[in-house]
Amino acid sequence: DAGVTQSPTHLIKTRGQHVTLRCSPISGHKSVSWYQQVLGQGPQFIFQYYEKEERGRGNFPDRFSARQFPNYSSELNVNALLLGDSALYLCASSLQEVVLEAFFGQGTRLTVV
Amino acid sequence: GQNIDQPTEMTATEGAIVQINCTYQTSGFNGLFWYQQHAGEAPTFLSYNVLDGLEEKGRFSSFLSRSKGYSYLLLKELQMKDSASYLCAAWREGGGADGLTFGKGTHLIIQP
Repeated sequence: DAGVTQSPTHLIKTRGQHVTLRCSPISGHKSVSWYQQVLGQGPQFIFQYYEKEERGRGNFPDRFSARQFPNYSSELNVNALLLGDSALYLCASSLQEVVLEAFFGQGTRLTVV
Repeated sequence: GQNIDQPTEMTATEGAIVQINCTYQTSGFNGLFWYQQHAGEAPTFLSYNVLDGLEEKGRFSSFLSRSKGYSYLLLKELQMKDSASYLCAAWREGGGADGLTFGKGTHLIIQP
């Protein structure tokens, strides 16, 4: 069985640009959560989607947005990129809305220059 | 607000035992997760404690004291592959992913 897959694995963008990150959850999982992990820190919650609806939002600016598609895959969009957005972006999927066990993807390493 | 504290770095010897502590202050606490993260890789789930006491899974055990806001992860018979960061995460009531707050992680170095 395929685990959580994220694309791309690495990305370099320039300040002010826009980026779209993609995530495919484990088959049968309906909840997708997005986290930002800056080097040396723990993951910080950005969004949770369950059944295509936003169920939670962390303390991130409106430049960050996300959506979930009918096949439960998800996109994270970040506009007007700042240097501080450089981080590992992790997607986690879980079977239900209640996150008892989250399975993380390998992440997308975003570098903003 | 929520606050998770764990040591930044620990060193232990192959074959030995190490205990990684985590203290938390969070409203509406619901449970405590431990994740392992190797450098450049995704976090992987290790354990989840809801009730006070010890949960054992092979070489890994996790303990929770809700009254003290305290948890630890115990790793026995340490192997070189256990060198990784260990993330403590508190989960507050509500159930959604927005209730999961991670600590900064403890970087564990295993020496021969």
